[in-house]
Amino acid sequence: GAGVSQSPSNKVTEKGKDVELRCDPISGHTALYWYRQSLGQGLEFLIYFQGNSAPDKSGLPSDRFSAERTGGSVSTLTIQRTQQEDSAVYLCASSYRLAGGLTDTQYFGPGTRLTVL
Amino acid sequence: DAKTTQPPSMDCAEGRAANLPCNHSTISGNEYVYWYRQIHSQGPQYIIHGLKNNETNEMASLIITEDRKSSTLILPHATLRDTAVYYCIVRARDTGKLIFGQGTTLQVKP
Repeated sequence: GAGVSQSPSNKVTEKGKDVELRCDPISGHTALYWYRQSLGQGLEFLIYFQGNSAPDKSGLPSDRFSAERTGGSVSTLTIQRTQQEDSAVYLCASSYRLAGGLTDTQYFGPGTRLTVL
Repeated sequence: DAKTTQPPSMDCAEGRAANLPCNHSTISGNEYVYWYRQIHSQGPQYIIHGLKNNETNEMASLIITEDRKSSTLILPHATLRDTAVYYCIVRARDTGKLIFGQGTTLQVKP
């Protein structure tokens, strides 16, 4: 079946502009995650949505970063007033939600490469 | 911080088994061991996971020691396309996020 899809695959923007990155999870997956990977760095957790529960925003690096998930499916990560240090690959993952609020294996999309000039 | 320790790099000859070790001495009873790999410029790819029993699927085998403090991912017949960074992660299912360490860069050589 179709995997996690992300758009755009590449985004080049100027410092100070706002950007929106989109994630379409695997159909039926109610849990959705955002990570980022900066050049030469490991993968860093940003935010996690599970069903109708309040999202875990503990990984967002600043208040310029926000995310929403509409209708329990598609998610948008928004970065306001982009800075050069925001340049990274932004990865989305999704998983099934299990009984008792547990989550299953996460499957990743191909990522969006963001370059801030 | 990641709860796992992996060697930074390993080489393997094409066609031979690749054995990638991982130490997770502080693993909790409800934490699973997950393995992902990331081929250059792609998103991480799920490989396998386990709790305490050894597991095998079409991609790999996972051997977990009886005390669960370490594990080994085995690629039985490595190919050049298996060249990637391999991440070992421990995660409880009531925790949303994955915490990635630096992983092991596996280079499969002809």
